[in-house]
Amino acid sequence: KNQVEQSPQSLIILEGKNCTLQCNYTVSPFSNLRWYKQDTGRGPVSLTIMTFSENTKSNGRYTATLDADTKQSSLHITASQLSDSASYICVVIDHGNKLVFGAGTILRVKS
Amino acid sequence: DTGVSQNPRHKITKRGQNVTFRCDPISEHNRLYWYRQTLGQGPEFLTYFQNEAQLEKSRLLSDRFSAERPKGSFSTLEIQRTEQGDSAMYLCASSLSTGLSGNTIYFGEGSWLTVV
Repeated sequence: KNQVEQSPQSLIILEGKNCTLQCNYTVSPFSNLRWYKQDTGRGPVSLTIMTFSENTKSNGRYTATLDADTKQSSLHITASQLSDSASYICVVIDHGNKLVFGAGTILRVKS
Repeated sequence: DTGVSQNPRHKITKRGQNVTFRCDPISEHNRLYWYRQTLGQGPEFLTYFQNEAQLEKSRLLSDRFSAERPKGSFSTLEIQRTEQGDSAMYLCASSLSTGLSGNTIYFGEGSWLTVV
């Protein structure tokens, strides 16, 4: 069983709408949790980084939340744009500095 | 462009041939990672280096795979006697390890391998 589970697997929304992606993890102890955006055929690009003591972190239209007690994180995208179409990957860093990746949520924004 | 450079970007090879990928990390970064990613999946950890020392290797890294970082700068990932199951994107990432958590990890654009 993957230590980082993401939902939904894929999502289609209309341009301008908001959406929320979920990440549940079992990695323990963990150092920090990150969200990455990966365009098709490209390397992942960092969106947010949160340590266990942080509850929320924003980067423009992206807002990540973290509940270390329930081991859940979410990524909220506001006022979606066509360029937001990508895979969004939740990554948990363990204390050995190893990155444990989720399988990603594929987001498609339609006009 | 994150500053992490990978070459070649695409490689098509016949089964049984050897291939080598190169990663040039961001210059001051002492930590370098290799990951493998197949379609529809998140990246899987292969190995990582702190300077020139290879600190951890995944069980995924069979004896056909070898990675080096001889001078603590660029790294190479060699796959010997390639198999069709090796077809994937090989991602390199680098970061600055300062003992604090939260350092950004930068990924390259990946090297696509197709074994025919």
